[in-house]
Amino acid sequence: GAGVSQSPRYKVAKRGQDVALRCDPISGHVSLFWYQQALGQGPEFLTYFQNEAQLDKSGLPSDRFFAERPEGSVSTLKIQRTQQEDSAVYLCASSVGSGAPYEQYFGPGTRLTVT
Amino acid sequence: KQEVTQIPAALSVPEGENLVLNCSFTDSAIYNLQWFRQDPGKGLTSLLLIQSSQREQTSGRLNASLDKSSGRSTLYIAASQPGDSATYLCASRPGDYKLSFGAGTTVTVRA
Repeated sequence: GAGVSQSPRYKVAKRGQDVALRCDPISGHVSLFWYQQALGQGPEFLTYFQNEAQLDKSGLPSDRFFAERPEGSVSTLKIQRTQQEDSAVYLCASSVGSGAPYEQYFGPGTRLTVT
Repeated sequence: KQEVTQIPAALSVPEGENLVLNCSFTDSAIYNLQWFRQDPGKGLTSLLLIQSSQREQTSGRLNASLDKSSGRSTLYIAASQPGDSATYLCASRPGDYKLSFGAGTTVTVRA
């Protein structure tokens, strides 16, 4: 079946621009996660949704970062007034249930470059 | 906060040699530990997931062990092939849902 998809795959933004990154989870998956992966590093947790509820946004680096999942399926990560330090790969993952036993399935990521 | 360390950061071996990749974590109270593969420009592919009650998991040429008490996991890849060249990431699950990742080990298998 279809896996997690993300769009766009690549985004180049000029410093100060706003960007929106989209994640389509696996159909029926309750949980959705966003991670940020800087070059040469492992992914870092950003935020977690259970259905449409954002239960944890502790990893969002600043108030310029905003995520939503209004209907409990597709999610959008928005970054306002992008800065060079925002350049990274943004990974989305989904899982069928909530909690520890459920494996997270990752999408291909969106590579954001801020110039 | 859970800290996950992977050693070495990079590894180059001739084809056919066995690979040993190490992962250590600071908080032993984990739900599970997962090994991923990441190819350049691609997302994460799950290789093996070891639940906290398990000591090891095997899939084909891959074997992963888990020692919670010492905060260590090891991924063994037998008889390496050039197609095994990739970055391997380990991730522990100390809480209910977040994954804490190491920085990865980049493996090159020379033909």
